[in-house]
Amino acid sequence: ETGVTQSPTHLIKTRGQQVTLRCSSQSGHNTVSWYQQALGQGPQFIFQYYREEENGRGNFPPRFSGLQFPNYSSELNVNALELDDSALYLCASSPPDSTQFFGPGTRLTVL
Amino acid sequence: KNEVEQSPQNLTAQEGEFITINCSYSVGISALHWLQQHPGGGIVSLFMLSSGKKKHGRLIATINIQEKHSSLHITASHPRDSAVYICAALGIVNTGNQFNFGTGTSLTVIP
Repeated sequence: ETGVTQSPTHLIKTRGQQVTLRCSSQSGHNTVSWYQQALGQGPQFIFQYYREEENGRGNFPPRFSGLQFPNYSSELNVNALELDDSALYLCASSPPDSTQFFGPGTRLTVL
Repeated sequence: KNEVEQSPQNLTAQEGEFITINCSYSVGISALHWLQQHPGGGIVSLFMLSSGKKKHGRLIATINIQEKHSSLHITASHPRDSAVYICAALGIVNTGNQFNFGTGTSLTVIP
């Protein structure tokens, strides 16, 4: 039990739609990172938020965006969904010591 | 080319065997994590290392900073150890932290 929760667990969308994934972190975890994990691959870094501001970004297009809220929750938004966006989306929160606690993930399927 | 390489990609062992999974990285890091991912996606952080060796139960992790290499060892392996083991090198992005993940080692322990 990491204390990090994600919702929904599973989600099915169609190409072109928009999706919002949610993550709830532990109190005091000022940093949250989002990762995309395609089937059979290691996770890929999407972006990181620190104290509600984007703090680093991987090689993902602008249609991937995020928000972090003062209550230690965060969102990942993906616009104009493509088939290749089908993946497991993981959030990980961390306190200042850089240990990361992963959520269980949201499995997104784009049809 | 991935900056974090793991070997082997797949590993099958008999219950009770000693198992070693290797990780090499090419980037400067502040820490290295070993993660365990079970079917269904949930990721658990096993170790965070910046030097030396750590032990937790039957699991041992070592890191050689000069050689940019880390190993995860499992003693007296058990079928419940079957999972994907992921090495993640923690670098620095701006003022935050960014993980570079290996593609994982899929371990199956046969009774």
